[in-house]
Amino acid sequence: KQEVTQIPAALSVPEGENLVLNCSFTDSAIYNLQWFRQDPGKGLTSLLLIQSSQREQTSGRLNASLDKSSGRSTLYIAASQPGDSATYLCALCNQAGTALIFGKGTTLSVSS
Amino acid sequence: GAVVSQHPSWVICKSGTSVKIECRSLDFQATTMFWYRQFPKQSLMLMATSNEGSKATYEQGVEKDKFLINHASLTLSTLTVTSAHPEDSSFYICSARDGTDNTEAFFGQGTRLTVV
Repeated sequence: KQEVTQIPAALSVPEGENLVLNCSFTDSAIYNLQWFRQDPGKGLTSLLLIQSSQREQTSGRLNASLDKSSGRSTLYIAASQPGDSATYLCALCNQAGTALIFGKGTTLSVSS
Repeated sequence: GAVVSQHPSWVICKSGTSVKIECRSLDFQATTMFWYRQFPKQSLMLMATSNEGSKATYEQGVEKDKFLINHASLTLSTLTVTSAHPEDSSFYICSARDGTDNTEAFFGQGTRLTVV
């Protein structure tokens, strides 16, 4: 059974720092992996989608990598800002069209 | 990206009543939608997969008679929490994929249900 783990559960950094959020999964046979942002009491905003054949995706200050063989994905946030404060969720699906399996998320707090 | 609209955003209801939550894909057709539930400080857990024109597929431990799902059209799925109790209080959120691009999942805004 696929399990998704995110470490750390919470992270506090000062503004301007570069940081890395980690996601690991137990079954490397995945179809794709997505990173989401969730603000308190709100829905999910899709940040980056990585197909199983890709190794990384970039959007602005965000870079997500995928290493299927080791069962890991990282989300790199450059030059963090207070507006980046949120919970970041890693989720993957094992087959096309199936539901996503989520990690518990990393709650990020960026202080000014 | 594609837009998924969920309504209502929050609802408070009395114990024993039923609540209906709507999930609409606004600019694409979704043959499949997914319903998740999230308890405080927990991850999103899949409740059921909603298939247009057929019965929903429920995850183990989810009562199908309590959580009624209807997916009558390619743009609308509804989740009805029947005879709600305080332990049903949670954050419910739906998801869909654009049928023309069966990869990225888009989520609704979520519904905060409080049963008193």
